[in-house]
Amino acid sequence: SQQGEEDPQALSIQEGENATMNCSYKTSINNLQWYRQNSGRGLVHLILIRSNEREKHSGRLRVTLDTSKKSSSLLITASRAADTASYFCATDGGNFGNEKLTFGTGTRL
Amino acid sequence: DADVTQTPRNRITKTGKRIMLECSQTKGHDRMYWYRQDPGLGLRLIYYSFDVKDINKGEISDGYSVSRQAQAKFSLSLESAIPNQTALYFCATSEAATGVGRYGYTFGSGTRLTVV
Repeated sequence: SQQGEEDPQALSIQEGENATMNCSYKTSINNLQWYRQNSGRGLVHLILIRSNEREKHSGRLRVTLDTSKKSSSLLITASRAADTASYFCATDGGNFGNEKLTFGTGTRL
Repeated sequence: DADVTQTPRNRITKTGKRIMLECSQTKGHDRMYWYRQDPGLGLRLIYYSFDVKDINKGEISDGYSVSRQAQAKFSLSLESAIPNQTALYFCATSEAATGVGRYGYTFGSGTRLTVV
């Protein structure tokens, strides 16, 4: 079963607009990560947020984490055509030292 | 060269054939993983290895086997391929001491496998 579920499944925006996608998960975590996948290619790690962090920035990316709601959001500001990809959240199951990432089904931007 | 190299990139095989997908890495990571990706289902973990002598089943290991030949090499085999194993297969690596550390997983470019 999937630990993470992204919402929406697909998102269409204009260049220059902001894109927000959400991830919900079921069990406790040590950290949550976001990955990007260009069509049919390997996933690329974007950003990692630890369970004791609430917000993190990297360039045009902003990630928030709400452990009480077991949810995270990824905001891409001033989107570009090159941002077209699928975005996946991944969680580690909270088992420090034995982490295996479980991926959601992705949001297609 | 890529940090994580998967071969072949594409493969078409017949039902019942044995096939091996190979993965090698230059990251020096101890941990290696095999995932499969199907449309609408995200990535699902097949097998993982935390060091050369450690092999563990993931959530969908039936019909698959693995071999960790060295720190840098982790192969996935389909003993008798069936059509529902048609998918995109990814190998990934991660650091050990701090788990996924600061950099997450490093993925290969994938192998697109079609079983006819």
